[in-house]
Amino acid sequence: GDSVTQTEGQVTVSESKSLIINCTYSATSIGYPNLFWYVRYPGEGLQLLLKVITAGQKGSSRGFEATYNKEATSFHLQKASVQESDSAVYYCALGMATGGNNKLTFGQGTVLSVIP
Amino acid sequence: NSKVIQTPRYLVKGQGQKAKMRCIPEKGHPVVFWYQQNKNNEFKFLINFQNQEVLQQIDMTEKRFSAECPSNSPCSLEIQSSEAGDSALYLCASSLSRGVANTGQLYFGEGSKLTVL
Repeated sequence: GDSVTQTEGQVTVSESKSLIINCTYSATSIGYPNLFWYVRYPGEGLQLLLKVITAGQKGSSRGFEATYNKEATSFHLQKASVQESDSAVYYCALGMATGGNNKLTFGQGTVLSVIP
Repeated sequence: NSKVIQTPRYLVKGQGQKAKMRCIPEKGHPVVFWYQQNKNNEFKFLINFQNQEVLQQIDMTEKRFSAECPSNSPCSLEIQSSEAGDSALYLCASSLSRGVANTGQLYFGEGSKLTVL
């Protein structure tokens, strides 16, 4: 089946430093993959951070960026300068709308801790 | 703060006991999903609804799990006879449309954490 892999369970970065959280996907269903990043802040539910539905395109939100790389089947999340308020859990997700199957497949999440 | 309300936040059950969780979707959202997030943080899709109709469900939910989204009442997920392996965070999410695989517009609650002793 479809799957999403986030290799880092936890990442710690000093404030104002750059960040990259890795995400790769495997889409075995017939259809076109759509890619998403979600974030879960403390005390809140998951919320959509950004999405890209076209290969080669970049999505951005709140200073975060991710590029849909079809050849590498990757969708890494990057930020040039993190802030303490970015501390949260980040989830990469794959959407495949094929026939009656319309749901999201999530990675295991990466806990980001930003040190002041 | 989440506009999808899940209750209870925590529940503890013995093996073989029933466990029931409720979800009030965001106002006006007819599509509801249930996911299970285990101790390894892996998400497993369980079931989804549009209004009262089941759209998809996995085999697991057809045996010990049951779910419904009655009109004018909270949605619910019930485990008839809890097992240790059911210990997990159960996440409810709602959407305006079925097309979440394209839009990503899925709004999550904070979850109900079930511990089966």
